[in-house]
Amino acid sequence: AQSVTQLDSQVPVFEEAPVELRCNYSSSVSVYLFWYVQYPNQGLQLLLKYLSGSTLVKGINGFEAEFNKSQTSFHLRKPSVHISDTAEYFCEEYGNKLVFGAGTILRVKS
Amino acid sequence: IAGITQAPTSQILAAGRRMTLRCTQDMRHNAMYWYRQDLGLGLRLIHYSNTAGTTGKGEVPDGYSVSRANTDDFPLTLASAVPSQTSVYFCASSDSSGSGDEQFFGPGTRLTVL
Repeated sequence: AQSVTQLDSQVPVFEEAPVELRCNYSSSVSVYLFWYVQYPNQGLQLLLKYLSGSTLVKGINGFEAEFNKSQTSFHLRKPSVHISDTAEYFCEEYGNKLVFGAGTILRVKS
Repeated sequence: IAGITQAPTSQILAAGRRMTLRCTQDMRHNAMYWYRQDLGLGLRLIHYSNTAGTTGKGEVPDGYSVSRANTDDFPLTLASAVPSQTSVYFCASSDSSGSGDEQFFGPGTRLTVL
């Protein structure tokens, strides 16, 4: 069955430090991959998406992600986080169906 | 442009009662979705609609029904609510369902079933 695994439920990090949020997908067919961010008491907003082409995808707010087909991964990175990046981040796969990961809470500390 | 609106914002409901969560979009998107969000489980797809007049079952459809009479509206109905349906419900839409289009999400409805 199609599944998305976000390997960390919570990631604490100090302000201005780099961060990586890990995501592994399962689909063996052509797949679209997305990262969404959810701020407290709000809906989800798109950060970035991979459809095809370059494996390095740049999104909003300085985030980027790299599609790695051999490792079935789509990890999200930011070189320097801000307090305002504190939120929950969701990885989503669209292979045969839409599947979200369980989410990773990023806590940025000053 | 409002995007997607959901109503109510929150609701406390007695078990066994019928409840309809409303969702309206003004982007003329073809596809619409209903998700429930539960701690540690992420978002799970309940039902979807690829275009007006059609609906389909998602991962967790039991106990829920939807209709898509027009492009803009996609109500979700709980015929007889149970406590396990306590959750935050998100409606979303996308231009189409098959091309990797971004989904736009509403602000959510927090439902508590007692």
